Amino acid sequence: GENVEQHPSTLSVQEGDSAVIKCTYSDSASNYFPWYKQELGKRPQLIIDIRSNVGEKKDQRIAVTLNKTAKHFSLHITETQPEDSAVYFCAACNQGGKLIFGQGTELSVKP
Amino acid sequence: DTEVTQTPKHLVMGMTNKKSLKCEQHMGHRAMYWYKQKAKKPPELMFVYSYEKLSINESVPSRFSPECPNSSLLNLHLHALQPEDSALYLCASSQEGSPRGYGYTFGSGTRLTVV
Repeated sequence: GENVEQHPSTLSVQEGDSAVIKCTYSDSASNYFPWYKQELGKRPQLIIDIRSNVGEKKDQRIAVTLNKTAKHFSLHITETQPEDSAVYFCAACNQGGKLIFGQGTELSVKP
Repeated sequence: DTEVTQTPKHLVMGMTNKKSLKCEQHMGHRAMYWYKQKAKKPPELMFVYSYEKLSINESVPSRFSPECPNSSLLNLHLHALQPEDSALYLCASSQEGSPRGYGYTFGSGTRLTVV
């Protein structure tokens, strides 16, 4: 069935380093790829998204890249800060209009 | 108003109780969603309402019963729940009938504990 694989499941970096989280999707008709940040006890918050007609998008310290041929997309966070610590979820919106989520990455940024 | 409001924020209920979760948005969104989320796991889709009609039911047990009284309001009626139903219940809405639409927004959730 439709599937989104997300790696790594946990990621620990030093403050100021970069963090990269990777996702692959199975449905080649997927055309919308959001990334969510979820802090403990709070709602998932959209931090960046990309549509299938674009290869890269950047917003300050956060960037997302999309390779439609390989069916993978990645989140890049530069100059990480302790407040970036959270669980990050990627997702792909399939043709039926459903968001298929990855399993999440727990990012820890150590001061 | 750019918020999806969920009430209550916390709910503790017994296995024989009947309770309801409420979700409200005033952004003119035409699709509304219910998700269930366990700690550090991704949200699991339960139901989708598009233009006030149930469009997706992800084989959710009948002890969960959704209702969409109007385009701004979504309820989830709970009855005879099990302890494993304890989770964060998230509502979401989007401008069109799909998350591809702009403005896909999650509510702050209801933390449900079944005892």
